[in-house]
Amino acid sequence: DGGITQSPKYLFRKEGQNVTLSCEQNLNHDAMYWYRQDPGQGLRLIYYSQIVNDFQKGDIAEGYSVSREKKESFPLTVTSAQKNPTAFYLCATYREPGQGPQANYGYTFGSGTRLTVV
Amino acid sequence: GQNIDQPTEMTATEGAIVQINCTYQTSGFNGLFWYQQHAGEAPTFLSYNVLDGLEEKGRFSSFLSRSKGYSYLLLKELQMKDSASYLCAVRDLGAGSYQLTFGKGTKLSVIP
Repeated sequence: DGGITQSPKYLFRKEGQNVTLSCEQNLNHDAMYWYRQDPGQGLRLIYYSQIVNDFQKGDIAEGYSVSREKKESFPLTVTSAQKNPTAFYLCATYREPGQGPQANYGYTFGSGTRLTVV
Repeated sequence: GQNIDQPTEMTATEGAIVQINCTYQTSGFNGLFWYQQHAGEAPTFLSYNVLDGLEEKGRFSSFLSRSKGYSYLLLKELQMKDSASYLCAVRDLGAGSYQLTFGKGTKLSVIP
């Protein structure tokens, strides 16, 4: 089945450590996104990529970095510069409404990675 | 930028009907989505509106009025499993690319 795989499901980071969250998709979608979700805050955009080898900062990019070397993969690195990294991280792809069945219009999300600083 | 407002919490009774409202302000509106998110899980797609009117899909319906910057999600014959957060998201064409901005979500509790 086509979908988005995020790993790991749970991740613990020590102070001052960089960690990388994996996101892989086999939906053949061009656009990929990283969101962060905190309680009561909704989803906030960290980075997005419309095409391979190109990516743009979202609303809260500070302390994060990404790469898009392959269409299928969009890893997110949480650097030590991110002062409050504990959150639920969601990766998503985007499909234009009108392209095929209505299911999975808009964003399709991975199952998420819950990152905790210890 | 965009501003999306929806109620923080709602409570409704099993078997009843509930309406979750969403208002938005955007400069380049290009569609509105509703997502359902159970605690600790990823959001899942419920509905999409780009033209004014009502879209019905089983127990769920979604309405859009572009002139009023207003949408609602209507849930009928509520079931306990409908207890979840419901996210309103607006697609905006600005700065040469499409962005989807989410409201903070409405936590719906269905009680017996």
